[in-house]
Amino acid sequence: EDQVTQSPEALRLQEGESSSLNCSYTVSGLRGLFWYRQDPGKGPEFLFTLYSAGEEKEKERLKATLTKKESFLHITAPKPEDSATYLCAVHPYGQNFVFGPGTRLSVLP
Amino acid sequence: GAVVSQHPSWVICKSGTSVKIECRSLDFQATTMFWYRQFPKQSLMLMATSNEGSKATYEQGVEKDKFLINHASLTLSTLTVTSAHPEDSSFYICSASRDGEQFFGPGTRLTVL
Repeated sequence: EDQVTQSPEALRLQEGESSSLNCSYTVSGLRGLFWYRQDPGKGPEFLFTLYSAGEEKEKERLKATLTKKESFLHITAPKPEDSATYLCAVHPYGQNFVFGPGTRLSVLP
Repeated sequence: GAVVSQHPSWVICKSGTSVKIECRSLDFQATTMFWYRQFPKQSLMLMATSNEGSKATYEQGVEKDKFLINHASLTLSTLTVTSAHPEDSSFYICSASRDGEQFFGPGTRLTVL
């Protein structure tokens, strides 16, 4: 069965304190892995798509990496506006997306 | 690009009434759209996959007669919650697929009194 777990469940950082969020997955065949940001009361906002192990993508203070078993979302020198829930999803071949439970990030000024 | 809108953004209705939620892809055509439900502090739960011109595919446990989905065009899918009850109160989010990626709408908050 395709599964996605995320850790930690919640993370509190001081502004400027870099850290990483983890997404671990088991799928029969990975078509793509996706990271989204979701603010309270809003729909998820697309961040990255990763397709193969070793791939990396960056956007401002965020960097996503992918291995055969997990993905990391690295946040460098975060700001309070980075506070949100970060969702990871995998797209197995021939299946619908499978979403992880998310990591709630709080960045304190 | 890849903007998805939903309407309304929130709705309050009385128990027993029906509510229609629209999902539109504004700058691309989407043969496939998805409807999700999200409870507070929980992740997205896929309800159904909507394909243009054909019947929707519902996930196990989702009542087809209660959640009617119509994908009338390549840019519009609608979800109708029929005979709504308080337990149907939730945050409903649609997404549209393009090149294997999903782009989400802003969500609709439904409150059934």
